[in-house]
Amino acid sequence: QVQLVESGGGAVQPGRSLRLSCAASGFAFSSYGMHWVRQAPGQGLEWVSFSWYDGNDKYYADSVKGRFTISRDNSKNTLFLQMNSLRAEDTAIYYCARDNRIFGATSPDYWGQGTLVTVSS
Amino acid sequence: QSALTQPRSVSGSPGQSVTISCSGTSSDVGGYDYVSWYQQHPGKAPKLMIYDVSERPSGVPDRFSGSKSGNTASLTVSGLQAEDEADYYCCSYAGSYTFVFGPGTRVTVL
Repeated sequence: QVQLVESGGGAVQPGRSLRLSCAASGFAFSSYGMHWVRQAPGQGLEWVSFSWYDGNDKYYADSVKGRFTISRDNSKNTLFLQMNSLRAEDTAIYYCARDNRIFGATSPDYWGQGTLVTVSS
Repeated sequence: QSALTQPRSVSGSPGQSVTISCSGTSSDVGGYDYVSWYQQHPGKAPKLMIYDVSERPSGVPDRFSGSKSGNTASLTVSGLQAEDEADYYCCSYAGSYTFVFGPGTRVTVL
């Protein structure tokens, strides 16, 4: 069965960096695009970033463009999110999610349990 | 990347039907047939309920159905059950491999 396990969250000061990981199993990771989606405490879902299945093309929400970088290691079935210049408003649970379409980009389907990032001085 | 519009809350009695709307623009909901719906219980990860406007993943009860007209998509839950009480989010492809979510709708089973 599809499993996604995020890690790397924690408390960090504004302006600092953090790198999230998402370990995937139960499916052909190298054939699927992958998303990062976040949810601030008590708030709704916000799409953050998408990586094409081969990692060659990457896309970002305006709110994180230039500060966050999505990447993947298909040999290790792992997705990453490098977060730089963190702000208080980046505080959220970060979920990784697989795209629903093989070799495509249509919508997230399977989600991990999320990892909490808290940005505070 | 403007968020979609959803009602803050809807409610219904067991056995009744409720419909949640998701309004966007011709650049997202109206422009593509890639609207999805997610159910989220407190403290849990979202779960895909509908994709490609009206398709149901295996394992999702057929009480859940989706549709779209113009720039507005809808999720209908028929035969409401206690376990359907949750937050529901719509999501749409918004072009150039970007995506946008709605603010979420709390469904209350009376």
